[in-house]
Amino acid sequence: DTAVSQTPKYLVTQMGNDKSIKCEQNLGHDTMYWYKQDSKKFLKIMFSYNNKELIINETVPNRFSPKSPDKAHLNLHINSLELGDSAVYFCASTPQAAGETQYFGPGTRLLVL
Amino acid sequence: RKEVEQDPGPFNVPEGATVAFNCTYSNSASQSFFWYRQDCRKEPKLLMSVYSSGNEDGRFTAQLNRASQYISLLIRDSKLSDSATYLCVSSRGGGSYIPTFGRGTSLIVHP
Repeated sequence: DTAVSQTPKYLVTQMGNDKSIKCEQNLGHDTMYWYKQDSKKFLKIMFSYNNKELIINETVPNRFSPKSPDKAHLNLHINSLELGDSAVYFCASTPQAAGETQYFGPGTRLLVL
Repeated sequence: RKEVEQDPGPFNVPEGATVAFNCTYSNSASQSFFWYRQDCRKEPKLLMSVYSSGNEDGRFTAQLNRASQYISLLIRDSKLSDSATYLCVSSRGGGSYIPTFGRGTSLIVHP
C-alpha cells in the first residue's frame, strides 16, 4: 500500500549513458513533482505536472525529460549523464497544484561514474 | 540571496531541552509555509503547516511572521527520536504552486 513509489532505488551508471527513473502514486493526486537533492542537501524542484500537463520547469537542462503517461505516473529520463547529475532524485505528489502537503517517494540514489 | 535560508546547524542538545529554529524567506509573495522533517537517507515528511496565527502540535510550535518574513519552529522536551534535519518550505502561488525548500537545519539530541 505504498503511497508514492520510485524505481529503481539505486542507480550506478557511467557518464554519457541514458537512464530513466519511474514514479507512481496511488493517492489519486492531480499533481506530481520531481526534485533533486544534491550532496549539500539542497532539495530543488525540477518539474511539476498537473493532470499530465507540465506546469513547472525550473531551468533544468534539456537532457532531463519528464513524461507523464497518466496522472498517477511521472517518469524522468536523463540523456548523456554527467558527473554533476549524481544526487538523490525524489518524486512527490500533492492533491492539487495549490500549496498543499507534498508526499514524497523514497528517493532514487543516482551515482554517475 | 537564497529564497529560503536556514542555519544548517548542527544543533546539538541534550534530551529534554527546548530548541528553536528560524527560517527566513525572501519572496514576499509567498503564500504557504511548512516544516518538513527528513531523517538520514530518507524522504522528507510533513511535520506541520505554518499558519499566520501560529499553530501547535504536541511538543512542536510553528510561528509565521509575515512582516519580518520569517518562520520559526520550537521543539519542547526534545527526544532522541527528534534527531533529524528540519526543512523549511515556502511556496509562491499565482496559479501554480512552486515550493522552495531551505537546505535544512540538522538537530542532534543526545542522552
